[in-house]
Amino acid sequence: AQTVTQSQPEMSVQEAETVTLSCTYDTSESDYYLFWYKQPPSRQMILVIRQEAYKQQNATENRFSVNFQKAAKSFSLKISDSQLGDAAMYFCAYAYSGGGADGLTFGKGTHLIIQP
Amino acid sequence: DTGVSQDPRHKITKRGQNVTFRCDPISEHNRLYWYRQTLGQGPEFLTYFQNEAQLEKSRLLSDRFSAERPKGSFSTLEIQRTEQGDSAMYLCASSRASGSGTDTQYFGPGTRLTVL
Repeated sequence: AQTVTQSQPEMSVQEAETVTLSCTYDTSESDYYLFWYKQPPSRQMILVIRQEAYKQQNATENRFSVNFQKAAKSFSLKISDSQLGDAAMYFCAYAYSGGGADGLTFGKGTHLIIQP
Repeated sequence: DTGVSQDPRHKITKRGQNVTFRCDPISEHNRLYWYRQTLGQGPEFLTYFQNEAQLEKSRLLSDRFSAERPKGSFSTLEIQRTEQGDSAMYLCASSRASGSGTDTQYFGPGTRLTVL
C-alpha cells in the first residue's frame, strides 16, 4: 500500500519570504502522480500543483514549484514570495496511474502560517 | 464551471439515525469520489464512481455506508445507524477521464457530520 508522509505538522514564514514544505511517499509503482492541495480554513480543497512521475522536469505554477526526487521518493513544495492568502493546510497526495482511477492517498498535512 | 457542490454543508444527528449527503459534480466530469476527513488528518478515500458504476470501495466503507450515482450525475452517500465515530467531514471530488490514467480531482466544500 502507498503511504504519504508529511513530517512538518506546522510551518511559519514571514510574508514575502520563501518556505519549503516536505513530503515523502512510499510506493512500489513506477508510474504515478503527485499533487499538492491547499485547504484554507473552512474552505474547500484546491489544487496547487501536480507532477507526473515520468516527467523529470519539476512542475511550476507561478510562485509555487516542486522539487521532485523520484529515487528518494521526495516531493517538496516551495512557495516563493509568501502572501497572507497562502495561509492554509497543505496536503501532499499520491495517485497511481495504472489505467484506472484510484483514489488519492493523502498525507496528514502541514499547517502553514504566514507572519505579516 | 460551477464547481463541485455538496448538500447539506452541516448535519447534526443523534446516534442511530440515518443520514444522506448529496454531491453534484462538475457537469462534464464522469468520475466521482467520496472521501472522509477527520480532525487533524488528511482525507481518506471511501469510494469511486465512473459514470453510474461504483468501481472501487475502500475497506473504510463499512456495511452501514452506501453510495449511489444514478444516471451518472449526482451522487448520494448514506450512513445508516450512525455512530459517534462517523463524525467527520465528508468530501466529494470529481474528475474528467482523460484516458491518460490519473486525472486532477476537484473537491467540493464538504459536509460536516456531527453525531451526538
